[in-house]
Amino acid sequence: GNSVTQMEGPVTLSEEAFLTINCTYTATGYPSLFWYVQYPGEGLQLLLKATKADDKGSNKGFEATYRKETTSFHLEKGSVQVSDSAVYFCALFSQNTGNQFYFGTGTSLTVIP
Amino acid sequence: DGGITQSPKYLFRKEGQNVTLSCEQNLNHDAMYWYRQDPGQGLRLIYYSQIVNDFQKGDIAEGYSVSREKKESFPLTVTSAQKNPTAFYLCASSIGGGSFNEKLFFGSGTQLSVL
Repeated sequence: GNSVTQMEGPVTLSEEAFLTINCTYTATGYPSLFWYVQYPGEGLQLLLKATKADDKGSNKGFEATYRKETTSFHLEKGSVQVSDSAVYFCALFSQNTGNQFYFGTGTSLTVIP
Repeated sequence: DGGITQSPKYLFRKEGQNVTLSCEQNLNHDAMYWYRQDPGQGLRLIYYSQIVNDFQKGDIAEGYSVSREKKESFPLTVTSAQKNPTAFYLCASSIGGGSFNEKLFFGSGTQLSVL
């Protein structure tokens, strides 16, 4: 079946530190991969996506590359800011199993000044 | 502006009471979804609908019901059979049809608590 596994949190970083949040997936066929971000008390917002192998999604300084050989989609940012503090969710969309989205459990990030 | 509107933001349920959470979208999306989020946990799918007048159970449908009479609307009823309803409920929509451009758009959520 389809599933997404994310790095456990919480993660605490100092401002301007490098961020990596690991995400691996299990899926049949060729899923689309996403990172969503959730700020306290709000819904999820799409951060970036990639639809095929070797694609790189990027937005607001965040990047993630679709690696089919390692079934991974790790989120990275070179220099985090306090405003990046949020919960980050990795997700996949599979056409092969009823057009469903599958989410990881989320990773909480806190950036301290 | 196009988007998804959930209401109310906060809702309180008394013992034995049914409550209904509203979700409206003006994105012209075919597919709509309800997720439940518990503190520190991921999203769990309650119900989803790929087209008007049709919907399917997700992973945790027991104690919930939905309807999809209009494309724009997908209300969720939390029935008295749901014994642990306190959670953050998220409604989402997507284009539908399983295209490569599929992505979820979320509402701002409803926090349901038991009195």
